[in-house]
Amino acid sequence: GAGVSQTPSNKVTEKGKYVELRCDPISGHTALYWYRQSLGQGPEFLIYFQGTGAADDSGLPNDRFFAVRPEGSVSTLKIQRTERGDSAVYLCASSSQTNTEAFFGQGTRLTVV
Amino acid sequence: TQLLEQSPQFLSIQEGENLTVYCNSSSVFSSLQWYRQEPGEGPVLLVTVVTGGEVKKLKRLTFQFGDARKDSSLHITAAQPGDTGLYLCAGAWVGSSNTGKLIFGQGTTLQVKP
Repeated sequence: GAGVSQTPSNKVTEKGKYVELRCDPISGHTALYWYRQSLGQGPEFLIYFQGTGAADDSGLPNDRFFAVRPEGSVSTLKIQRTERGDSAVYLCASSSQTNTEAFFGQGTRLTVV
Repeated sequence: TQLLEQSPQFLSIQEGENLTVYCNSSSVFSSLQWYRQEPGEGPVLLVTVVTGGEVKKLKRLTFQFGDARKDSSLHITAAQPGDTGLYLCAGAWVGSSNTGKLIFGQGTTLQVKP
């Protein structure tokens, strides 16, 4: 696609529920990144994929968070047993290589009520 | 822990004024990037600085990387309402050339009034 596409744009879920957030990177980009941006803060790194494998998941806050990229393109961020503190904008970015510019999607605003 | 601190956090000025945003850290970064983010959108890269002391200009925006690569500044000359937005600095982690794995500052919200 022309840019990084994230769906849904907005997601409201009840505390304790499971959610999936999707990221469709720019075609051909091998590196994919997930970030979380809380209100009034800068984005915070969560996980980075190189191809299909998670090269660095050091930013995932706990084991309720998991991400996959099975075919090296689309990625899904999965959050189990959501908590109100998980409410934030989840941003995805992709780049052609790890030392080139990363392009961000518009984000998914997750609200846990 | 590597941290980036931006100042000021909020800035409201009149059209035509000049302003400077600062990004400071006690850590050395291999490169530093400046982004602009509009509401409901993801950050958009403005510039990357790599060399200590480097100065880059983008129209009315001037970016500087500190000599020790620990700090940076963004100066806007004759601000316009279209400059309104959230400005973020971000550094690539020390020892890493991965420009997508970044530490972000908390951002500076700029409002330029006509």
